Amino acid sequence: GENVEQHPSTLSVQEGDSAVIKCTYSDSASNYFPWYKQELGKRPQLIIDIRSNVGEKKDQRIAVTLNKTAKHFSLHITETQPEDSAVYFCAGGSARQLTFGSGTQLTVLP
Amino acid sequence: KAGVTQTPRYLIKTRGQQVTLSCSPISGHRSVSWYQQTPGQGLQFLFEYFSETQRNKGNFPGRFSGRQFSNSRSEMNVSTLELGDSALYLCASSLGVQWTLPDTQYFGPGTRLTVL
Repeated sequence: GENVEQHPSTLSVQEGDSAVIKCTYSDSASNYFPWYKQELGKRPQLIIDIRSNVGEKKDQRIAVTLNKTAKHFSLHITETQPEDSAVYFCAGGSARQLTFGSGTQLTVLP
Repeated sequence: KAGVTQTPRYLIKTRGQQVTLSCSPISGHRSVSWYQQTPGQGLQFLFEYFSETQRNKGNFPGRFSGRQFSNSRSEMNVSTLELGDSALYLCASSLGVQWTLPDTQYFGPGTRLTVL
């Protein structure tokens, strides 16, 4: 089955700086890679996703890149704000079965 | 549209008991997936239902089961509860239009299960 590894497990950045979170996956059949943000006590919220036929996708301050050959994908957050502080999960899979990474606790310091 | 809802939000049970959790998907969504979230194991896939049929199953023991009704609402059941079953149980719904194409999954708020 699919195995998704996520790094780093914790990340602290100064407000206004960029944050990068990286994930690798094992199953070459995986074709869908969403990123979720989970604030304490809240449900995971989709922030961006990418499909395997696309190499990069951007939505305002958030971007995701996918390298199918190397089987890795990354989340980039620019101009970070305190409200970006949360746990971020990457996931990989196909159709409706997703394997999640272990999460990254992002802290944006004011 | 109303989001995914789950009931109850909190449950306390003792070892050996069984529990049933409910999930109502977003209107029009036909696929419901269930996940277990724990600090140690993270988010783990339990199973996925579409049109009242289980289509995918994760690596959990047979004590974990589920079903889906004709209105797409889903329930999961855990029998003979163990301490290690304490977790946040999340369901996620998606359109489920085509079997092979990935769908965006929208999560419910979860049910916090504590087993004493």
